[in-house]
Formats: sequence, C-alpha cells, structure tokens
Amino acid sequence: NAGVTQTPKFRVLKTGQSMTLLCAQDMNHEYMYWYRQDPGMGLRLIHYSVGEGTTAKGEVPDGYNVSRLKKQNFLLGLESAAPSQTSVYFCASSFRQYSNQPQHFGDGTRLSIL
Amino acid sequence: AQSVAQPEDQVNVAEGNPLTVKCTYSVSGNPYLFWYVQYPNRGLQFLLKYITGDNLVKGSYGFEAEFNKSQTSFHLKKPSALVSDSALYFCAVREGFVGNDMRFGAGTRLTVKP
Repeated sequence: NAGVTQTPKFRVLKTGQSMTLLCAQDMNHEYMYWYRQDPGMGLRLIHYSVGEGTTAKGEVPDGYNVSRLKKQNFLLGLESAAPSQTSVYFCASSFRQYSNQPQHFGDGTRLSIL
Repeated sequence: AQSVAQPEDQVNVAEGNPLTVKCTYSVSGNPYLFWYVQYPNRGLQFLLKYITGDNLVKGSYGFEAEFNKSQTSFHLKKPSALVSDSALYFCAVREGFVGNDMRFGAGTRLTVKP
C-alpha cells in the first residue's frame, strides 16, 4: 500500500543546475499537488493538476514547471536552480469530488541548492 | 483568497492534561477545514475535517475539533495528551464546493512532556 511516493528523498544541487522531482500515486486520484515547506511558513502550493494533461499555477509558481502526462505521475521541474529554492518539497493527491476530500502526502524531497 | 492563522508557534502541555491547538481562518464562501499532523521526516497525515453539520468533529487518535462560525475558528483539542502526540500540527482551509486551492497555516509545534 504505497500511497504517494516521492523520488528522490534528498538532493544537493549547484546554482543553475536543473532537476526533476517525481511523484507517483497508486490511489487513482484525479488531483495532484506540489508544495514547498519552509520554516515558519507552512506549506505553499507551487502547482497543481486536476487531471491528466492539465496543470495550474498555485501560490508560488515562479521558477518551477510541472507536467502530468499520466494520471498517476506528477513531475516538478527546476530549470535553473537558485538558493531560494532550498526547501522541502511535498507532493499530495486527492479525489476529485467537490473539495471536501483530504489530501494524501508523500514523505517529501529535501532539496539543497548551493 | 482564503487564509489560515495559527497564532501559537509552540504549545507545551504535560502528559494527561488537555490540549488545544488554535486555528482561525478567512474564506469568502463556506469553509472546508482540515487538521493535519506531521512527524519528523514524514509527510502530513490527515487527522479530521469539518465540511458541514455538527460543529464538533471527531478524528483520528482521539483528537477532535470545534468549528465556530462566529469566531471563524477551528481549534484542535484532545482531552488527555500523550507524549506520542508531540508533532507539528497544521490547520488548512479550502473554499467549499468550488475551491481547488487549499491554504495551510504556518504550523504549531506541540510538545507533550512526561
């Protein structure tokens, strides 16, 4: 019963490098989300997707891109990493019906940009 | 846009005593309210939610929360705290029925001392 799986769990990048974070869910959820968690700021939504092939901007989308080519996968890309993107990144998913469904979270990716 | 405030960064209680973690919210329409818990190096886990109906909502691990519309609050409570309840707690709000965007509070660290 995997739920939401994020890879990698840890990564250190140099400024200007690019990388992709992978999120996979096995619960057949329609909605998927990417958040970043910073001390004292809670979780902030980066991008989200309401279905395969669709994405939308969240609260803090700048510097990130996403893709949802398959229903079970949601990719978060950093084209040119900056130290300000040092954070813990969480992926979440939920069912579509209305907006009263809780989100299910992965265990996070800890990303450091030097 | 919706927002959530958790006025206390830290709450300390003795084991066996009741605990309260405070949350206030702001939303245009009807609120859907959630509490999540985060243990070290893990993702957020869903505790309970308020959608409609009874103002007192019961959730996992003996937690409950009281919705107060006039005070726009959704405080998390537990009658008798356990050391194992020590964790980071997040309140979240979504605009009912149509909202895709869930906003999280900054989090409250609960420490239960033996």
